Amino acid sequence: EPEVTQTPSHQVTQMGQEVILRCVPISNHLYFYWYRQILGQKVEFLVSFYNNEISEKSEIFDDQFSVERPDGSNFTLKIRSTKLEDSAMYFCASSEAGYDEAFFGQGTRLTVV
Amino acid sequence: DQQVKQNSPSLSVQEGRISILNCDYTNSMFDYFLWYKKYPAEGPTFLISISSIKDKNEDGRFTVFLNKSAKHLSLHIVPSQPGDSAVYFCAASSNAGGTSYGKLTFGQGTILTVHP
Repeated sequence: EPEVTQTPSHQVTQMGQEVILRCVPISNHLYFYWYRQILGQKVEFLVSFYNNEISEKSEIFDDQFSVERPDGSNFTLKIRSTKLEDSAMYFCASSEAGYDEAFFGQGTRLTVV
Repeated sequence: DQQVKQNSPSLSVQEGRISILNCDYTNSMFDYFLWYKKYPAEGPTFLISISSIKDKNEDGRFTVFLNKSAKHLSLHIVPSQPGDSAVYFCAASSNAGGTSYGKLTFGQGTILTVHP
């Protein structure tokens, strides 16, 4: 069964460092998303990406964040200068048509120290 | 921002009985609702969805009911099995006008424990 895969599963980084979280969405999907879940809190929307551009972003997704689809398979989330409060589980998701169900990866646990 | 609320943090059910998980929403623009199941250290797994043009959708042991006038939906699991023990998230999106691109707003989750 097709699935969304994320790497790495766990990333530890020092405050102020840049991190790149990687995702391979399901191959025939056209809509891509990043969500995050801070420990004990809700899953929160960060950004959606369609047709090689950001289609919607949340207030959380400030200038420190960027997304890219560098080739036909990968979808990345970059955090330029990490803060302690960026520590969370980051989930990548994809959907075929945008108005249907999104399928999530297993997540990357980001720990900023 | 409490647009989607799951007021029960946890639910405990005996194996074989019905589990009913509830979700309320406030945004009348939501027109598509989903339930996800999540195990620790894994991503949310899609379970079942319902469009606002329907009031019920069934898939095997899982049935979702939507009451638009009350802005309420529920997930029924019958019969419940120990393997159903997980966190269940309600989520909603607004697809009208084609501008949301599938952004999901999640509830806080309900921890379901099914006892053998």
